[in-house]
Amino acid sequence: QKEVEQDPGPLSVPEGAIVSLNCTYSNSAFQYFMWYRQYSRKGPELLMYTYSSGNKEDGRFTAQVDKSSKYISLFIRDSQPSDSATYLCANRGNQGGKLIFGQGTELSVKP
Amino acid sequence: EPEVTQTPSHQVTQMGQEVILRCVPISNHLYFYWYRQILGQKVEFLVSFYNNEISEKSEIFDDQFSVERPDGSNFTLKIRSTKLEDSAMYFCASSTRVERGPSSGANVLTFGAGSRLTVL
Repeated sequence: QKEVEQDPGPLSVPEGAIVSLNCTYSNSAFQYFMWYRQYSRKGPELLMYTYSSGNKEDGRFTAQVDKSSKYISLFIRDSQPSDSATYLCANRGNQGGKLIFGQGTELSVKP
Repeated sequence: EPEVTQTPSHQVTQMGQEVILRCVPISNHLYFYWYRQILGQKVEFLVSFYNNEISEKSEIFDDQFSVERPDGSNFTLKIRSTKLEDSAMYFCASSTRVERGPSSGANVLTFGAGSRLTVL
């Protein structure tokens, strides 16, 4: 069983739509949950992180973690063409900085 | 905003040649990492480095790979004898001290733009 799984997409939405990106994981030891955004041929850029279960909001972005179902979500409100990128979820346990990444979901927001 | 700098941005090499990828981490960061991403695949952890020694490495990081912090500012990844399957984007990352508990979540990794390695 893969440790972190994402639907690779591509996901195409019109500008202004609400986007829901999802990720599942198998390792119960994961405590930190990150969302990175990666533009084509660039490095991952941290969007948000969450510790344990719960919600976190930052502007148009909301991250949700449900540890009971090992399910992570990122919601983007009022999506913009500049949000077009690959979104990577990444998890880690309490020890060390090693991140386990999902394969990423490619998002395209059409004007 | 502080950033992680990587050079070269793209390197083409022949199979069997040695390659060194260079990184300048953020200056007050203490943990350093290399990850790689083969085209179309996941970002994969290679190695983490702290206090001048490897703290963790993956099974990908075999004897052909080595890391070094030669001068207190650069962090290098050396591949001794490149293989075709080493072709990938290599990302350097750095973070501040990783601590346990809720506050350690704030010490997140900052990635560089990557060095694309093509082995022919």
